[in-house]
Amino acid sequence: DSGVTQTPKHLITATGQRVTLRCSPRSGDLSVYWYQQSLDQGLQFLIHYYNGEERAKGNILERFSAQQFPDLHSELNLSSLELGDSALYFCASSVDRVDTQYFGPGTRLTVL
Amino acid sequence: AQSVTQLDSQVPVFEEAPVELRCNYSSSVSVYLFWYVQYPNQGLQLLLKYLSGSTLVKGINGFEAEFNKSQTSFHLRKPSVHISDTAEYFCATEPNNAGNMLTFGGGTRLMVKP
Repeated sequence: DSGVTQTPKHLITATGQRVTLRCSPRSGDLSVYWYQQSLDQGLQFLIHYYNGEERAKGNILERFSAQQFPDLHSELNLSSLELGDSALYFCASSVDRVDTQYFGPGTRLTVL
Repeated sequence: AQSVTQLDSQVPVFEEAPVELRCNYSSSVSVYLFWYVQYPNQGLQLLLKYLSGSTLVKGINGFEAEFNKSQTSFHLRKPSVHISDTAEYFCATEPNNAGNMLTFGGGTRLMVKP
């Protein structure tokens, strides 16, 4: 158990819908990262937040957005969902921007 | 820009045999290097990391990796594998001047057979 929690574990929805994935980092960790794992794209970095501020963006679609709240939990919002958005979404956390990242168990999103 | 190549998508091996999972990277800046393991239906777990210093890095579960700067490689090895080592293994880099995002290779599925 890494100490990073993600909810929900599974999410099934339809195309065009909007969903929110939640991540609670390890106690004391200020950085939160989001990654997408899909069969065709592999593991890709989406976005990084540090202490509430966005620090880096990767291959994140404009339909996706994220935020980190004052209690340091983070949410990833996915809108106008397409079949291709079906994937595992991982959250990771670290103490600061250069420390080891610890991964949560992931949220499996299925878009039908 | 960085990229990570894991040369083998699958590696079948018999139990108690040695194994090497290959990883090559390219980067315009110096990087940190990582190996993560993903067991079925689970998240990623850090096996080991190279930040600086000795090029031979020892990790958990008897794994080790060697950083070779001239060959831009970071191959993962274990002298004797167990059935429980069956999993997906990911090599990753992170630029050491920014500490933001991990760039992952495509993964290698290690299949340990009895």
